[in-house]
Amino acid sequence: DVKVTQSSRYLVKRTGEKVFLECVQDMDHENMFWYRQDPGLGLRLIYFSYDVKMKEKGDIPEGYSVSREKKERFSLILESASTNQTSMYLCASNPGVLNTEAFFGQGTRLTVV
Amino acid sequence: AQKVTQAQTEISVVEKEDVTLDCVYETRDTTYYLFWYKQPPSGELVFLIRRNSFDEQNEISGRYSWNFQKSTSSFNFTITASQVVDSAVYFCALSETTSGTYKYIFGTGTRLKVLA
Repeated sequence: DVKVTQSSRYLVKRTGEKVFLECVQDMDHENMFWYRQDPGLGLRLIYFSYDVKMKEKGDIPEGYSVSREKKERFSLILESASTNQTSMYLCASNPGVLNTEAFFGQGTRLTVV
Repeated sequence: AQKVTQAQTEISVVEKEDVTLDCVYETRDTTYYLFWYKQPPSGELVFLIRRNSFDEQNEISGRYSWNFQKSTSSFNFTITASQVVDSAVYFCALSETTSGTYKYIFGTGTRLKVLA
């Protein structure tokens, strides 16, 4: 079965902390994505990666960075967490060869206090 | 610019009623794909259907059906005889290609509440 796993379901961090959100997929997918979900705004793309060490900015990259050192792992980094980054974060992947659907992780609900 | 609009923020129905979730999209591409996802309270988005721009046939899967009309740029989703387990947020999405990578543009979602 296809699997995208996010390291935490819930996180509470303090303002100014450096935060790491980890995502692992076991499908050998080329592409991985980080989305942010907020009420009334739907899913907004933060960053995506189409290969190891390759990344592109999405629609809302400010305040975030990413790392993809291995094909199966895509990390989202909040360099200095702020309260306006309190949100649900969703990781996804797709094979990249065909225009197929994305497979999503269970989400990480991050609260910055 | 590519865009997906789900004008219905929240819909409440009584169990066994039929309900249609609307999705309108904008794209300049002639080849594109549309998707529907379900997000139950657990949070994980579950893929429901993919439709490419060249296939306008309606699709039915059990109680679910989808109506794709290029003339109105719509891809609507109907649940027949709704059940409480259908309660979720439903997202419509459009794929676009950047540098050969397929990305997705999501609508803002429609929260469906099915009351017993």
